[in-house]
Amino acid sequence: DGGITQSPKYLFRKEGQNVTLSCEQNLNHDAMYWYRQDPGQGLRLIYYSQIVNDFQKGDIAEGYSVSREKKESFPLTVTSAQKNPTAFYLCASSMWLSTDTQYFGPGTRLTVL
Amino acid sequence: QKEVEQNSGPLSVPEGAIASLNCTYSDRVSQSFFWYRQYSGKSPELIMSIYSNGDKEDGRFTAQLNKASQYVSLLIRDSQPSDSATYLCAVNIDNNNDMRFGAGTRLTVKP
Repeated sequence: DGGITQSPKYLFRKEGQNVTLSCEQNLNHDAMYWYRQDPGQGLRLIYYSQIVNDFQKGDIAEGYSVSREKKESFPLTVTSAQKNPTAFYLCASSMWLSTDTQYFGPGTRLTVL
Repeated sequence: QKEVEQNSGPLSVPEGAIASLNCTYSDRVSQSFFWYRQYSGKSPELIMSIYSNGDKEDGRFTAQLNKASQYVSLLIRDSQPSDSATYLCAVNIDNNNDMRFGAGTRLTVKP
């Protein structure tokens, strides 16, 4: 089955800890994205990547970091510098950037204890 | 002004009625437009994309685009309780790698 997987589904973090959210896709898509969704709000772009070893900051990159060592994988690290990390995190991919449709993974719900 | 605006709702319609969801956007050069459905606690799933002015139909769903008015809408005919969800409008801003999402409209279809 082709698709996007994210893990874990739920994640609990203590204040001051870094945590890494996994995102993998087997759609052979070039572009991958990370969004954050807060209750009652739209999706906000954290980071995106067009190709391996290249990524760009989105609107709310502060306190987050990413890597793109493989085409299939785009992990997101939520660092202790992110002051309000409790949110629903969504990974997406598309064939290419620009106008192409984005497809979403199932999401990871992060809660800071 | 927000780049993509939607009425947050909730919008409530009876089963079998037509649900009309609206979205306006601020950037005149936007080229691609998408409607996603998001059930509570789940990730968004694509319903339709539209790129040209006019209507695009897919089953019970019709997307309407009017670039001059900077307006895109989604009509759901014969609404079913299973259509109850939040509908997100997404617009590609500046025809680049910048997709903007509205906050979503929550739709409830009552049996």
